[in-house]
Amino acid sequence: GAVVSQHPSWVICKSGTSVKIECRSLDFQATTMFWYRQFPKQSLMLMATSNEGSKATYEQGVEKDKFLINHASLTLSTLTVTSAHPEDSSFYICSARDFGGQYNEQFFGPGTRLTVL
Amino acid sequence: SQKIEQNSEALNIQEGKTATLTCNYTNYSPAYLQWYRQDPGRGPVFLLLIRENEKEKRKERLKVTFDTTLKQSLFHITASQPADSATYLCALPTSSASKIIFGSGTRLSIRP
Repeated sequence: GAVVSQHPSWVICKSGTSVKIECRSLDFQATTMFWYRQFPKQSLMLMATSNEGSKATYEQGVEKDKFLINHASLTLSTLTVTSAHPEDSSFYICSARDFGGQYNEQFFGPGTRLTVL
Repeated sequence: SQKIEQNSEALNIQEGKTATLTCNYTNYSPAYLQWYRQDPGRGPVFLLLIRENEKEKRKERLKVTFDTTLKQSLFHITASQPADSATYLCALPTSSASKIIFGSGTRLSIRP
């Protein structure tokens, strides 16, 4: 099956700093990637849809100036958490849709655990 | 607004029994429904997709049903094993089909 990687797998940073998370589709091209956030014992909440070559589409309530998304190529999307605060601590997961697949399913990365001190 | 509910937050069953998880949705008619498995600290893994014109789909020990009248999907794991312990998420596409929305998940525990 298609593979999606994320880097880093975990990061600890000080409050006020910015953190960049990378999401790569390793064996297929993804014109669309998705960024989710998951708090403990809760489900995945979609933050934004990342479109290659165009601006990301953010879900209601997600600050686009705080969560910067760049989808510079067909295999790479990045999420930058700017001026991170402790309340931004969460599990961030990206996914990519393989439109060439039989089921139009999304393939998820392993996630990035962000802890803001 | 579109809503997805997985009725059981947690389900504990004996090894060898059949686990049945429920997913209900309201206020729309999805073209398909998906089930994912998520282990702690990991991203979800796709398991099965069932389309609106399919009543049932099977994959090894997994079986999914889709009742568009009841607006409900059932997810069954037969001959359950401790390795099946995980959180199972149902997911449906939005009306525009541009993205999928996840249910809250059911944490399944299989005891030996």
